[in-house]
Amino acid sequence: QQQVKQSPQSLIVQKGGISIINCAYENTAFDYFPWYQQFPGKGPALLIAIRPDVSEKKEGRFTISFNKSAKQFSLHIMDSQPGDSATYFCAASNSNSGYALNFGKGTSLLVTP
Amino acid sequence: DGGITQSPKYLFRKEGQNVTLSCEQNLNHDAMYWYRQDPGQGLRLIYYSQIVNDFQKGDIAEGYSVSREKKESFPLTVTSAQKNPTAFYLCASSLTTLTGVEQYFGPGTRLTVT
Repeated sequence: QQQVKQSPQSLIVQKGGISIINCAYENTAFDYFPWYQQFPGKGPALLIAIRPDVSEKKEGRFTISFNKSAKQFSLHIMDSQPGDSATYFCAASNSNSGYALNFGKGTSLLVTP
Repeated sequence: DGGITQSPKYLFRKEGQNVTLSCEQNLNHDAMYWYRQDPGQGLRLIYYSQIVNDFQKGDIAEGYSVSREKKESFPLTVTSAQKNPTAFYLCASSLTTLTGVEQYFGPGTRLTVT
């Protein structure tokens, strides 16, 4: 059973636009929510992460918004660039399972020139 | 040069053979993890280990085995009991920070079984 649901499955954004990817979870024991970026044939790379006591975190062009009551969180990529074209995964974890990550199914982002 | 090493990058095996995937880290991380990635499925947890000589099953442990004899090493064996072994296998290790337990991934091993 997928513990983290991610949408959309794919996304096309023009250069300079805002890319938005959404995730939802059910397990209220989750206390760590990272986002990963993956290029074809490579391992995922940690992009940005948030804890539920914070509603927003920004690092450069990447922002996580977190809504604890709705059990939802999202990734916003501002000023999207062609180099941002990759697959993005949201995830969630907690100490009950050694902080092993529960991943969403991923969003394939294409930023067009 | 610190990091997580997985070898080989590509691995081919015949059906019915066991195969062991290597994962080594020199980051001095305590916890290590194995995930499997299939197209359109995201990553799914196979096994994890929080400390030497101890490991726990993940969501899809059937047909796999692991060992953790050294802090730096966490090899994964794909046995002949695994019904669909062809996949991209990713190893990770984790570091505890103020934000949380950050996981870092190796480059992966693509296993093809025919």
